[in-house]
Amino acid sequence: ETGVTQTPRHLVMGMTNKKSLKCEQHLGHNAMYWYKQSAKKPLELMFVYSLEERVENNSVPSRFSPECPNSSHLFLHLHTLQPEDSALYLCASSQDRVSGNTIYFGEGSWLTVV
Amino acid sequence: SQKIEQNSEALNIQEGKTATLTCNYTNYSPAYLQWYRQDPGRGPVFLLLIRENEKEKRKERLKVTFDTTLKQSLFHITASQPADSATYLCALDGGNTGKLIFGQGTTLQVKP
Repeated sequence: ETGVTQTPRHLVMGMTNKKSLKCEQHLGHNAMYWYKQSAKKPLELMFVYSLEERVENNSVPSRFSPECPNSSHLFLHLHTLQPEDSALYLCASSQDRVSGNTIYFGEGSWLTVV
Repeated sequence: SQKIEQNSEALNIQEGKTATLTCNYTNYSPAYLQWYRQDPGRGPVFLLLIRENEKEKRKERLKVTFDTTLKQSLFHITASQPADSATYLCALDGGNTGKLIFGQGTTLQVKP
């Protein structure tokens, strides 16, 4: 138990569906992240939130829409995805968004787009 | 271009031996480097952090070295056990933004 909880753990969706991934952290951290992990590729940072404000968006397609309603919760809204978006989506948090902070990951949400 | 390279081939060793994993980077000047462990289907778990002014860091059977001249970090597991089998990721800071850049990981298989 890392203190970062993600739901659902597995999601299968069609290309025309709209779904959301949810993340909750119980660590009192101020920064939260979404990462994408595809087979044989390094973790890719998608979004960074610091104190509920989005501070980084790494050229992610608009079909991925993050939302951070408070410092403990983070969502990733998904719509009109493509099969190549199938991957493990990892939520993470850290005390602050500064160098040297350890990042705590959730268990991930396995997404399959059909 | 900036790169972080970890051996993409799996490392197979016998139980009890020392496993050594390599992380090389180019065109970065990281202030620190971190190592994570990832089991299949799970999120990465933090293991160790080493700063640029530290040559070596130890934690139980784990040892990490950081050579900023060679632009390389080595990760050692001594007296390896089958339970150490996992993928190990190195990550370094991409500047003062707190952004961590990950390597693709090396899979370690420890055979009994």
